[in-house]
Amino acid sequence: AQSVTQPDIHITVSEGASLELRCNYSYGATPYLFWYVQSPGQGLQLLLKYFSGDTLVQGIKGFEAEFKRSQSSFNLRKPSVHWSDAAEYFCAVAAYTGNQFYFGTGTSLTVIP
Amino acid sequence: DTGVSQDPRHKITKRGQNVTFRCDPISEHNRLYWYRQTLGQGPEFLTYFQNEAQLEKSRLLSDRFSAERPKGSFSTLEIQRTEQGDSAMYLCASSLEATTGAAFFGQGTRLTVV
Repeated sequence: AQSVTQPDIHITVSEGASLELRCNYSYGATPYLFWYVQSPGQGLQLLLKYFSGDTLVQGIKGFEAEFKRSQSSFNLRKPSVHWSDAAEYFCAVAAYTGNQFYFGTGTSLTVIP
Repeated sequence: DTGVSQDPRHKITKRGQNVTFRCDPISEHNRLYWYRQTLGQGPEFLTYFQNEAQLEKSRLLSDRFSAERPKGSFSTLEIQRTEQGDSAMYLCASSLEATTGAAFFGQGTRLTVV
């Protein structure tokens, strides 16, 4: 069965520091992988996606993620965090048919000045 | 392209009442999804339409829930005889029919059952 694990429930980083959010997935075939961000009371905004090709993908707001098949991981990174990055981050996996997206439980990011 | 639109944004209802939510997807998207999100959790899949056909339904979607997408445009999600456990954020998303279609989400409808 498909599933997504985000091991870190909550992360606190200082503004300007680097960030890495972990995501591990379980999927029987080649997965389509996504990272979304959700601000309080808002819907989800797509940060980036991976379908195939280069395993390092660039997204919006300076985020990137690296797909590592051997580790079943798709970790999100940002070299320098801004206070406006404070939000909830969700990793998701989908089948190539795109008929369903499976989400992790999310990682809440706090940014301290 | 104004994105995915959901109405209402907030709904408070008494237990036992029926409620209906509306979702207007991005116009060229033929896939539409409904998700439910409770506090501290990721979105959980409820159902999926391709055009007007409802192709998948989660076991979470009890017989009190019904979704429609007439003419393959907007969609409605109705909950009959609401229960306190139905309190959640209901998210709608749409995507293009393609193997590269990421889902784009609306801002959600927050339902509170009192």
